[in-house]
Amino acid sequence: DGGITQSPKYLFRKEGQNVTLSCEQNLNHDAMYWYRQDPGQGLRLIYYSQIVNDFQKGDIAEGYSVSREKKESFPLTVTSAQKNPTAFYLCASSRLQQGISGANVLTFGAGSRLTVL
Amino acid sequence: KQEVTQIPAALSVPEGENLVLNCSFTDSAIYNLQWFRQDPGKGLTSLLLIQSSQREQTSGRLNASLDKSSGRSTLYIAASQPGDSATYLCAVLPYNNNDMRFGAGTRLTVKP
Repeated sequence: DGGITQSPKYLFRKEGQNVTLSCEQNLNHDAMYWYRQDPGQGLRLIYYSQIVNDFQKGDIAEGYSVSREKKESFPLTVTSAQKNPTAFYLCASSRLQQGISGANVLTFGAGSRLTVL
Repeated sequence: KQEVTQIPAALSVPEGENLVLNCSFTDSAIYNLQWFRQDPGKGLTSLLLIQSSQREQTSGRLNASLDKSSGRSTLYIAASQPGDSATYLCAVLPYNNNDMRFGAGTRLTVKP
């Protein structure tokens, strides 16, 4: 079955540690995204990538880093510079927009919950 | 900057009721609008996507409408069931970029 796999589902981090969240998709989607979800707030975009070896910052990129070495993979590293990393992290993918009538249906992974101890 | 608002934040209804969830957005220059469902601790599942040129989309008991000029969308759920209990989020894709903007969601509880 095609889909997006995020791992780990739960992750605990000590102060000052970097942690990496994995996101793999087998949908042959070009675009991949990382969102952060906090209680009572909408999803906020951290980074997105439309093509291998290229990515763009979203609204809240500070304290995070990503790589896109393969089309299928878009790992997110939460660095020690992120002062409030406890949140639910969601990875998504989509086909690229194609003109004004193009669709951009996002497919989401199951999420990773990060807690700072 | 596009802002998306969903009202109410939470809604509780008895089983069998028809209900409407509301979504408003500040900039009408959008490619499409999507409604998602999120179960607790899970990812989002796409329910309906409305292109900017469309007025509504239907899937089973769900009907979503879009009034782009007024910056509003509604999700109508007919004959609600306890299994419909979840958080429903709407999101708009701006015309000029790939940064989809999400509302905070409406948490729906359908009581048996």
